[in-house]
Amino acid sequence: AQSVAQPEDQVNVAEGNPLTVKCTYSVSGNPYLFWYVQYPNRGLQFLLKYITGDNLVKGSYGFEAEFNKSQTSFHLKKPSALVSDSALYFCAVRDTMNTGFQKLVFGTGTRLLVSP
Amino acid sequence: DAGVTQSPTHLIKTRGQQVTLRCSPKSGHDTVSWYQQALGQGPQFIFQYYEEEERQRGNFPDRFSGHQFPNYSSELNVNALLLGDSALYLCASSLYNRAYEQYFGPGTRLTVT
Repeated sequence: AQSVAQPEDQVNVAEGNPLTVKCTYSVSGNPYLFWYVQYPNRGLQFLLKYITGDNLVKGSYGFEAEFNKSQTSFHLKKPSALVSDSALYFCAVRDTMNTGFQKLVFGTGTRLLVSP
Repeated sequence: DAGVTQSPTHLIKTRGQQVTLRCSPKSGHDTVSWYQQALGQGPQFIFQYYEEEERQRGNFPDRFSGHQFPNYSSELNVNALLLGDSALYLCASSLYNRAYEQYFGPGTRLTVT
């Protein structure tokens, strides 16, 4: 089965500094990878995805992610963090079920805290 | 705004009761997936509906059931509620052939007392 792991429960960074939220994956075949953000008491908002193409994927709100096949990683990055980026971040991978239908498998989430 | 709506926003139920949650997908989408997100956890897949049928199911007991209507909207029903069913229930809509591109609603917060 496909899976993703987020090794850090929380990441702390000062405003203006670069941030990285880590994700590693385990898949058979070509991975479809995603990052979502969740603000308190809200649903999931899509940030970006990697399906094929350039290893550096640009997404919403200035976020980007780097796909690294040799390290099976898909880390989320931003050059300059904002206090408003403080939220819960989820990495996800596509899982194609034996029926052909597809679902998302999520990591456990990483809480990002950006201090002023 | 992804266009997926869910109702109600919050719900408080007592153990043993039954609950129904509702979801309207983004316009043009034909597939609805339901996820349970317990506090401090990532979303867990419950089941997925397409063409008014349950197409795939996650590791959830039969107390969890659903329905999809001809207009693609969907309901999630949970019977014999347990304290452990307290969670945020998320609905996601997509196109059948691109079901990995899921748009999430704001969720329904269910509290079981």
